[in-house]
Amino acid sequence: ETGVTQSPTHLIKTRGQQVTLRCSSQSGHNTVSWYQQALGQGPQFIFQYYREEENGRGNFPPRFSGLQFPNYSSELNVNALELDDSALYLCASSLVGALNSPLHFGNGTRLTVT
Amino acid sequence: DQQVKQNSPSLSVQEGRISILNCDYTNSMFDYFLWYKKYPAEGPTFLISISSIKDKNEDGRFTVFLNKSAKHLSLHIVPSQPGDSAVYFCAASLALNRDDKIIFGKGTRLHILP
Repeated sequence: ETGVTQSPTHLIKTRGQQVTLRCSSQSGHNTVSWYQQALGQGPQFIFQYYREEENGRGNFPPRFSGLQFPNYSSELNVNALELDDSALYLCASSLVGALNSPLHFGNGTRLTVT
Repeated sequence: DQQVKQNSPSLSVQEGRISILNCDYTNSMFDYFLWYKKYPAEGPTFLISISSIKDKNEDGRFTVFLNKSAKHLSLHIVPSQPGDSAVYFCAASLALNRDDKIIFGKGTRLHILP
């Protein structure tokens, strides 16, 4: 069973730039969720993708967008980066239809915006 | 507005003793609660969960207790082992919300002392 993998592991960007983070979901899972974990905070829900469409969104501005591909992998795109976007970005996969299927997280991408 | 609160940023417990991690929530609509464990440089790992129709769930050394009237849950680890040293996140969700929007607390760092 292949777990959730994320790339890259670390990234440094400049304010105003755009970034794309990638995630491969665990085999057998059909949904992908993205979370942002700022320093000293718990993970915060950004959005979820199911059947290649956004299926729920947290309190994040439209410059945070995503994609899900037919193989259930996913991308998180952030435009016009701000200093406060510096955080650990976590991808998690799960199986829709499995009641209370817990999320399986990847190890995250550490984004630093300077 | 923190809907899930972990008021102890850190906790130190002697190896072999019981570790008790506490969590409070404000939203009475939450009906599913989870605990995740996180090691440095890794993503959160699901530990144990409890539905709001129960008041206790046990899995090996880990037991979660839910007090709905007090909007409080706790995780008991007994006996505590060195490998239990990690950050523990309490989380809650609405089972009817199938968008995997889980609300996390800020976490409690558990140190198991030799």
